[in-house]
Amino acid sequence: SYDLTQAPSVSVSPGQTAIIACSGDKLGEKYVCWYQQKSGQSPVLVIYQDSKRPSGIPERFAGSNSGNTATLTISGTQAMDEADYYCQVWDGSTVLFGGGTELTVL
Amino acid sequence: QVQLVQSGAEVEKPGASVKVSCKASGYTFSPSAMHWVRQAPGQRLEWMGWIDTGNGNTKYSQKFQGRVTFISDTPASTVYLEVRGLRSEDTAVYYCARGQDSANDYWGQGTLVSVSS
Repeated sequence: SYDLTQAPSVSVSPGQTAIIACSGDKLGEKYVCWYQQKSGQSPVLVIYQDSKRPSGIPERFAGSNSGNTATLTISGTQAMDEADYYCQVWDGSTVLFGGGTELTVL
Repeated sequence: QVQLVQSGAEVEKPGASVKVSCKASGYTFSPSAMHWVRQAPGQRLEWMGWIDTGNGNTKYSQKFQGRVTFISDTPASTVYLEVRGLRSEDTAVYYCARGQDSANDYWGQGTLVSVSS
């Protein structure tokens, strides 16, 4: 079965760039989206169809997808960006989430 | 604005069934796609499946096939999730989430289902 792999944690200093990766076989051939989930809250869509930002999502969030890896990049990371981030793909008629990456801003 | 409002927390005993509701507003309910996702304490998001509110067609994750049912009530703009044969491992927050453009763009607030004897 298809699997998505994410690093369990990433740390970044305020104002720096955070890069969160999601890997899977031929992932670049699928649409990837990304969710931000803060503690005790519902997930929020931050990137869909690899690189599109929903209305209201700051420009510092950017996505890319090629080969076997999709990447969520957060430029000028702020303390409010501290959260868990999940990648997601549609694999045929089913949906799959990555294991999530905990982003710490310190 | 789009809103998905779910029913309140439930406490059930092992072997029981639970039904969670998700009332949608702010968009055209039918046809549309509604997904169910759950998250056990400290665990990843886990996709359960989805329902097409236009024709009632469903797709269940293989893990939940046969133990879970999705129902759509178009006049009430509400979808329901029923889980049967509850076990302790089903303790989780259950979310409904609208499907759009190969993503889930709006999510409910979540419903905690606790399974304990």
